[in-house]
Amino acid sequence: GIQVEQSPPDLILQEGANSTLRCNFSDSVNNLQWFHQNPWGQLINLFYIPSGTKQNGRLSATTVATERYSLLYISSSQTTDSGVYFCAVERLRLGSARQLTFGSGTQLTVLP
Amino acid sequence: DARVTQTPRHKVTEMGQEVTMRCQPILGHNTVFWYRQTMMQGLELLAYFRNRAPLDDSGMPKDRFSAEMPDATLATLKIQPSEPRDSAVYFCASGFTDAPNYGYTFGSGTRLTVV
Repeated sequence: GIQVEQSPPDLILQEGANSTLRCNFSDSVNNLQWFHQNPWGQLINLFYIPSGTKQNGRLSATTVATERYSLLYISSSQTTDSGVYFCAVERLRLGSARQLTFGSGTQLTVLP
Repeated sequence: DARVTQTPRHKVTEMGQEVTMRCQPILGHNTVFWYRQTMMQGLELLAYFRNRAPLDDSGMPKDRFSAEMPDATLATLKIQPSEPRDSAVYFCASGFTDAPNYGYTFGSGTRLTVV
């Protein structure tokens, strides 16, 4: 199956700093999503971004599908950004069931 | 905002008891997933429904787990009998996969503890 690798595994920032999280995947994909799992365990959908660039407030994401990676940018980080950030991908194949394959996540801690 | 609703949010049960988790997908979504999250394994797919039909449950221990979708507004995941190793967070997700651009929305999860 498709492999998803995220880096770094852990990241500690001072409030106000910027960060870049990376997601590499082993095959072409039809769907790529970034999720934030907050300290209460909720999985929040940040971006649906199989290709191109999107921005939402202080967060933006870029996927370069031909090179099989995606980046999540967090600017002016806040303590509420703390949690685990997951990249998940889906590759559609005729006759195969769908599923999102998740990376192991980046644990982000933003210090006040 | 439309959301996927899961109940209960937390469940503590004794080994051997039956556990039923419920999920209300977003209205109009035709695809539903059940995922399990543990520290050791991360997020694993348990079952997948499309238009209420179970299309893949290969990730599920068949002897004790069952997943059903009795109607378009309800998906259930049942464990009988439950075991301590089933302790995990169980997520339901839904999406509309007939559209060219889609994403999946996850519920808040059910945190299951089997003692």
